[in-house]
Amino acid sequence: EPEVTQTPSHQVTQMGQEVILRCVPISNHLYFYWYRQILGQKVEFLVSFYNNEISEKSEIFDDQFSVERPDGSNFTLKIRSTKLEDSAMYFCASSQTWGGSNQPQHFGDGTRLSIL
Amino acid sequence: AQSVTQPDIHITVSEGASLELRCNYSYGATPYLFWYVQSPGQGLQLLLKYFSGDTLVQGIKGFEAEFKRSQSSFNLRKPSVHWSDAAEYFCAVAGRGANNLFFGTGTRLTVIP
Repeated sequence: EPEVTQTPSHQVTQMGQEVILRCVPISNHLYFYWYRQILGQKVEFLVSFYNNEISEKSEIFDDQFSVERPDGSNFTLKIRSTKLEDSAMYFCASSQTWGGSNQPQHFGDGTRLSIL
Repeated sequence: AQSVTQPDIHITVSEGASLELRCNYSYGATPYLFWYVQSPGQGLQLLLKYFSGDTLVQGIKGFEAEFKRSQSSFNLRKPSVHWSDAAEYFCAVAGRGANNLFFGTGTRLTVIP
C-alpha cells in the first residue's frame, strides 16, 4: 500500500536556526497537510495545500512557517527561525480530495523536531 | 467550530477482554468521523471512518465504531483485545466543507496479559 514518507525521522536544531521538514505524499494525492503534536498534547492542524497554494491554515501557522512543493513529489515545511516551543512531532498527510470530503487523510510517521 | 472530546486519558484492559473507547464531538451538522491509532514512535494509521449511511462501521484489525447522532458520539469497540493493540488512539472529526481534521487528546491503551 502506498505510504506518505517523511524525512528526517528526528531533527535536532539550535534555537534561531532554520529547519526544513520533508515529505513525499502518496503519488496520486492532490491535497497535502501538516500537523504537529507537542509532547503529551493533541495533534493540531497547521496548514493544508492544494494546487500550489495554501488552502487553509491555523493560527499556529504564523509568518515563521512556510510550505512549498518544490517539485512533483516533495512537500516541505520550513520554520524560519525556530523557537523552543516549536519542539514537537510534525506529521505530513495527504489525501486524494479535500479534507472535508469522503477521502481520508493518510499520515506519515512524523519528524520529531527538537530545538535546543 | 468542531471539537472532539476523548474523556478517557488512559485505559488498561486484559488481553482477550472487550474494549470501548469513547469519543464525543461537537459540530453543527453531521461531520466526517475518524479513528486513528498511533503506536510508539509511529505515525497515525487510519482504523476506520464514517461518512454516511450505516452508522456501524467496520475497520481494520477487528475494530468497529458506531455513530450515534443523538449522543454526538463515535465510540470505538473491539470484542477481544490483543497485546499488539496497545497504542494511543485518536478520534478526529472533519467538518463537511472544511479542509482539516480536529483531533481529540487521545486515549492511551495498555493491554495486560
